[in-house]
Formats: sequence, C-alpha cells, structure tokens
Amino acid sequence: AQSVTQPDIHITVSEGASLELRCNYSYGATPYLFWYVQSPGQGLQLLLKYFSGDTLVQGIKGFEAEFKRSQSSFNLRKPSVHWSDAAEYFCAVGAGKSGGYQKVTFGIGTKLQVIP
Amino acid sequence: GAGVSQSPSNKVTEKGKDVELRCDPISGHTALYWYRQSLGQGLEFLIYFQGNSAPDKSGLPSDRFSAERTGGSVSTLTIQRTQQEDSAVYLCASSSLAWAGQETQYFGPGTRLLVL
Repeated sequence: AQSVTQPDIHITVSEGASLELRCNYSYGATPYLFWYVQSPGQGLQLLLKYFSGDTLVQGIKGFEAEFKRSQSSFNLRKPSVHWSDAAEYFCAVGAGKSGGYQKVTFGIGTKLQVIP
Repeated sequence: GAGVSQSPSNKVTEKGKDVELRCDPISGHTALYWYRQSLGQGLEFLIYFQGNSAPDKSGLPSDRFSAERTGGSVSTLTIQRTQQEDSAVYLCASSSLAWAGQETQYFGPGTRLLVL
C-alpha cells in the first residue's frame, strides 16, 4: 500500500522568502502525485499534479514541484511567498488499481505561517 | 461551473444520535469519494463510488457508518449512534475519470461535525 510522509508539521517563513515543503512517498510503481492547499474555512484546492513526463511540474499561484524518483520525493516550492499563501498544504499519492479507480493517500499536512 | 457542494456546513449533535451528511458532486462526475479529516490528522479515506459499480467501503471505520449514492449523483453519508470520536470534518470529492489512476479529485468545502 502507498503512504505519504510530510515531515514538517508546521513551517514559518517571512513574506518574500522562498519556500520548500517536503513530501516523501512510498509506492511500488510509478505514483501519481498531488499537492493540495486548504485555506482556513475553505475546501481543498489542487495546486498541481504529476502523472508522467516532465518531472518539474508547474501549478497555480506560482507553485512548482519536482518529482525525484531516486529520492521518492515530490517537494513543493515557491520562490517568493505571499501572505495569502498561509494555509495548510497536503501532499497525496494515488495508485491505480485493477478495478480501475484511484485510491489516493494523503499526508498529514504542513501548516504554513507567513510573517511580515 | 458549480463545484462540489456539501450540506450542512456545520452540524452539532448529541452523542447517540444519527446524522446524515449530503454531497452533491460536480455534474457529470462518475466517481465520488468521502474522506474524514480529524484535528491534526490527514485525510482518511472512507468510501468510494464509481458509476453503478459496488462501492469500495474499505475505509469505513465501523458498521455505524454507511453511505449511499442515488442515481449516480447525490451521496449521503450516515453515521448512526454518533460518538464523540466521530467529530471531524467530512469531505466529499468527485472526479470525472477513474481509469489508470489518472484523475483529479475536486473537493467540497466539507461538513464540520461536532458530537457533544
């Protein structure tokens, strides 16, 4: 079964600083990888996803993530953080199944605080 | 177009009472998921529906939990004889493509359940 580890429960960065949120996954085959963001009182919004092809994936709101198979990682990055980026970020891995559907496993989330 | 909607947005109930949570998926989406998000936890998969196929109930934590999906659209998650540990945010997601694992789930805003 697949699993996801987000080692940082809480991260604080200054506005304008760069950001990297770590995600490691465990899955036997090529995974399908996602990053979601959850702002206070909001639902989960997809930031970006990796299915195949270019290992550097661009998402919304200026985020990007890089799939590194050798490290089983899919870290999320942003060169310059804005105060509105303060939220909780979830990494997720999906696995195909013989029945055809995708079972997605989520990490426990990283809460991002942005200070002025 | 309209996204995934859930009702009620908040529900407070007394221990031992039954509750029903509703999810309206995006029109045309054949796959529907229920997750539970407890405080400080990631998303816990509960149940999956795909078209007219038998649902995957492998994530339901106990037989007090059940879900149905009528007409391949609206879904209701029922929790019988609620316990305080059932307090959580219940999230619904839908997707349009559920083959080979290449799908994106779109989430509703969730129902926040508090069992007193």
